[in-house]
Order: sequence, then C-alpha cells, then structure tokens
Amino acid sequence: GENVEQHPSTLSVQEGDSAVIKCTYSDSASNYFPWYKQELGKRPQLIIDIRSNVGEKKDQRIAVTLNKTAKHFSLHITETQPEDSAVYFCAVNSPPDTGNQFYFGTGTSLTVIP
Amino acid sequence: EAQVTQNPRYLITVTGKKLTVTCSQNMNHEYMSWYRQDPGLGLRQIYYSMNVEVTDKGDVPEGYKVSRKEKRNFPLILESPSPNQTSLYFCASSLWSGNEQFFGPGTRLTVL
Repeated sequence: GENVEQHPSTLSVQEGDSAVIKCTYSDSASNYFPWYKQELGKRPQLIIDIRSNVGEKKDQRIAVTLNKTAKHFSLHITETQPEDSAVYFCAVNSPPDTGNQFYFGTGTSLTVIP
Repeated sequence: EAQVTQNPRYLITVTGKKLTVTCSQNMNHEYMSWYRQDPGLGLRQIYYSMNVEVTDKGDVPEGYKVSRKEKRNFPLILESPSPNQTSLYFCASSLWSGNEQFFGPGTRLTVL
C-alpha cells in the first residue's frame, strides 16, 4: 500500500510568518492530494486539495504544490494568524485500479505565536 | 443542512460486548469511510464503501465489520471489542473517492 510521511510533526511560527508542511508518498499512481485542518476537539475539515494533473493551487493565504517526479507535496500558509493554530493532515488517494483508499500523514501541530 | 452524523458520540464498554456505531449522511454521497485516530498515528482507514453493497478493507480492518445496505448509512460493528480498539472514530463521506471528504463529529470509544 501507499506510504505517506509528513514533516515536521510540530511547528511554531510567529504571527505573520509563513509555515510550510511537507508530505512524501510512495505510489506514483496516486492522483488526489487533500489537506485537512483539525482544531482541538473538532473534526478534520478540508482546506485545500490538488490533483495529479496540476502543479500548484492557491486559495487566499493557503497554497499547495505538488512535485510528481519527486513524489512530494507541500502546504504553504502565508501571513499566519493565531486561528491557523491546529493540526494539519495531508492525505493521498490511491487510484481506482489499486483500491480507492485514503492514506493520511501523521499530522503537524502548528502553533502561531501572537 | 448537509451533514454526516454519528452515534453515539461517547461510549465506554467492556471487552467482548458487541457494539455498533452508526453513521449517516444526507448528501447522496457514493463514497463512505471509517477511520480511527490515535495519537501520533494520524487517521487510519478501517473500511470504505464505493456504493451500496460494495465494501472494502482499508489499512486496519481487523476486529471490525461494516455494511452498506442503504446509500446514506454505513454502520461500524465491533463484534468483540478489545482494549486496543479504544480510539477516536470518524465516519466520512464524499461524492466519489477522489473528492472532498466530509467528516462526522467523531465517536470516542473506550474499551475496558
């Protein structure tokens, strides 16, 4: 099956700085890469996603980049705010012919210091 | 309101006592899934379903069963719970597999 690694496991940044979280995966056929944000005691919620035919996607302060050759994708948060503090999970979806499964990273706990 | 619901939200039980956690969605989604979340391990997929009467094992299916008799419901069954199944469980649904998943509120299960 797929192997997803996420780094770093914890990240502290000053308010206004940028934060970058990186994930690597093993199956070159994987084709959908979402990022989820989970606030304390809440359910995960999608913040941005990217498909394998796209290299970069941006939504206001959040962007995701995908390098298919190197099999890694990254979440970029600019101008961080205290409300960005949460745990962030990357995920990888395997294509239909290998199972339609989702594999999640182990999470990054982001703290934005005011 | 479009949503995924789970019940119960909290459950304390004893080893070997069969239990069912229900999951329901009202968005007419094809794909439904169960995850368990444990500290340091992220979310791990237990079972998923592409459509009615179609279920498949995820990464950690041992000790669990599911069924998909109706499109909206996807119950998780623990026939003989053990303490290592103590965890936070999330149900999720999406239009199809490669699409945004909507998560339920979670069920915190403790097996003594």
